Amino acid sequence: DIQMTQSPSSLSASVGDRVTITCRASQSISSYLNWYQQKPGKAPKLLIYTASSLQSGVPSRFSGSGSGTDFTLTISSLQPADFATYYCQQSYGTPWTFGQGTNVEIK
Amino acid sequence: QVQLVQSGAEVKKPGASVKVSCKASGYTFTSYTIHWVRQAPGQRLEWMGWINAGNGNTKYSQKFQGRVTITRDTSASAAYMELSSLRYEDTAVYYCARFGALGDAFDIWGQGTMVTVSS
Repeated sequence: DIQMTQSPSSLSASVGDRVTITCRASQSISSYLNWYQQKPGKAPKLLIYTASSLQSGVPSRFSGSGSGTDFTLTISSLQPADFATYYCQQSYGTPWTFGQGTNVEIK
Repeated sequence: QVQLVQSGAEVKKPGASVKVSCKASGYTFTSYTIHWVRQAPGQRLEWMGWINAGNGNTKYSQKFQGRVTITRDTSASAAYMELSSLRYEDTAVYYCARFGALGDAFDIWGQGTMVTVSS
């Protein structure tokens, strides 16, 4: 199975901060990397697909980059609605696997 | 609007089975695959398997092979996930999700179904 490792596991940030979350795959997954946002008690929401494509309706402050084994999710200016847990997920090969999550908290 | 609506919470005893439903609306059900993903308390999301809603083909994670069965009813635009021989560690929220129109990602998710395994 392809292992997905995110860093950091949690971070504290203020409104307006630039936030970067990293995801590393245990083998090359080309650009088959997606990012989701999950709030407590809710289903995940797709933010970015195939590493860098913004899902329709997602604010442009979210962006993704990377290929191969190393990927990043960037929030250019953190907003109150962005405090949540973020997961990366590979769709290169089954079983599809997720990172352990990054909890973004209010500083 | 495009949505997936799941059945309600379940409490089951160890060794029992549970069947969760996922009803689709707002899109052509048979044009997509439906996946099942679970999340145990405080744990990462875990993919279980999928069904091609058009032809009924399925693929399961090896971890759940033999215990999980995913089916669909095209007349009802619904998919179902049955997990048997339940264990305490199967306590989790179970989600259905559509594999998207753009890119290989889960673009629409159900609201989740809490399954509690307790004696």
